Amino acid sequence: QVQLQESGPGLVKPSETLSLTCTVSGGSISAYSWAWIRQSAGKGLEWLGRIYNSGSTNYNPSLKSRITMSIDTSKNQFSLQLNSVTAADTAVYYCSSLSGGYWGPGTLVTVSS
Amino acid sequence: DPQMTQSPSSLSASVGDRVTITCRASQTIGTYLNWYQQKPGKAPNLLIYGASSLQGGVPSRFSGSGSGTDFTLTISSLQPEDFATYFCQQTFSSVFTFGPGTTVDIK
Repeated sequence: QVQLQESGPGLVKPSETLSLTCTVSGGSISAYSWAWIRQSAGKGLEWLGRIYNSGSTNYNPSLKSRITMSIDTSKNQFSLQLNSVTAADTAVYYCSSLSGGYWGPGTLVTVSS
Repeated sequence: DPQMTQSPSSLSASVGDRVTITCRASQTIGTYLNWYQQKPGKAPNLLIYGASSLQGGVPSRFSGSGSGTDFTLTISSLQPEDFATYFCQQTFSSVFTFGPGTTVDIK
């Protein structure tokens, strides 16, 4: 059974970079494509982008040039970086398989000084 | 990218009721539609993919239908564990947008 786990700082200062990693266990990261989604308190789900096992990516245009995703197949991990964060980036961040069948439990990231 | 709307935004129902939730896309998306259930503090759980295919392990009281722009999720007989928020998601475009959600609570 494939399992995902997000990790990274729970508190990020405004204007700094949010960095999260998703570790895949119970299966090969190369067997699937992957995505990051976030959810603000009391709000809906925002799809941030996807990364294929080849490393190619598609990002949500709403995040403009602030977002970068990467994959490390040797570690069975993929990562999210979001630059120049503001309070509006405070959310629970989820990693998932692109198909939607596998999700991590989510990690709360708060942007505050 | 297609924008997704859902109706109603919330509903109250009783155990045993038949519940129907509607999702509409701003442009045609074929059957590239998923349905999720989310409970407080938990990640979304995939119920339906491809508009009508039941994800493994999901009870058969859940069903999905539709194509093009209009879709429905039906719970044939609501159970206590089904009180939750339900989201649709289009997987047609390069950006997989979600609907705003429908909360099902106890009447």
